[in-house]
Amino acid sequence: EVQLLESGGGLVQPGGSLTLSCATSGFTFSTYTMAWVRQAPGKGLEWVSGISASGSNTYYADSVKGRFTVSRDSSNKRLYLQMNSLRAEDTALYFCAKRKSLSIAASDYWGQGTLVTVSS
Amino acid sequence: DIQMTQSPSTLSASVRDRVTITCRASQSISSWLAWYQQKPGKAPNLLIYEASRLESGVPSRFSGSGSGTEFTLTISSLQPDDLATYYCQQYNNYPHTFGQGTKLEIK
Repeated sequence: EVQLLESGGGLVQPGGSLTLSCATSGFTFSTYTMAWVRQAPGKGLEWVSGISASGSNTYYADSVKGRFTVSRDSSNKRLYLQMNSLRAEDTALYFCAKRKSLSIAASDYWGQGTLVTVSS
Repeated sequence: DIQMTQSPSTLSASVRDRVTITCRASQSISSWLAWYQQKPGKAPNLLIYEASRLESGVPSRFSGSGSGTEFTLTISSLQPDDLATYYCQQYNNYPHTFGQGTKLEIK
């Protein structure tokens, strides 16, 4: 059974940093592109970042480019999102998601999310 | 970035109604479009990928169509369990942008 479990969320002051983690199981992590998607309270989904299976290619939304860094560790089957220079508008529930297949970039499995609150 | 626009933003329909949600892309995305269902307090659930392919385990009352810039999600006979917000997402180009969502209410 595929499982994704995010952690690392919490309350952080504006300008602060936080690292999110996504523990995975039930699939061959090293062969799948992964993504982070967020949802501000009461708002819609926003794609944040993606990383290729090898980790050599990374992609970001303009809203987080230069502040967030996505990475992965295949040895412990974890996905990470390093978030720096956090702003109030980064407050959201952050989901990690698995790509369906090499040719289909839709996300077929999602975690339950970890909440990040940026506030003084 | 490719902009995705859904309509309507809110939809109220009765059980057994046929429901259609539209998603428009700001430029052609071929058939690289997915539809998700999100119930309150839950993670999104993949319904349709490649514009018209039904994800395994999804009821057959859900269907998708379209290509290029115009896409539709259809629920052939609305059920009470379909109360949710529906999102389209393009994955033709990074960033893989979502539509703003369509909240479906049951009358």
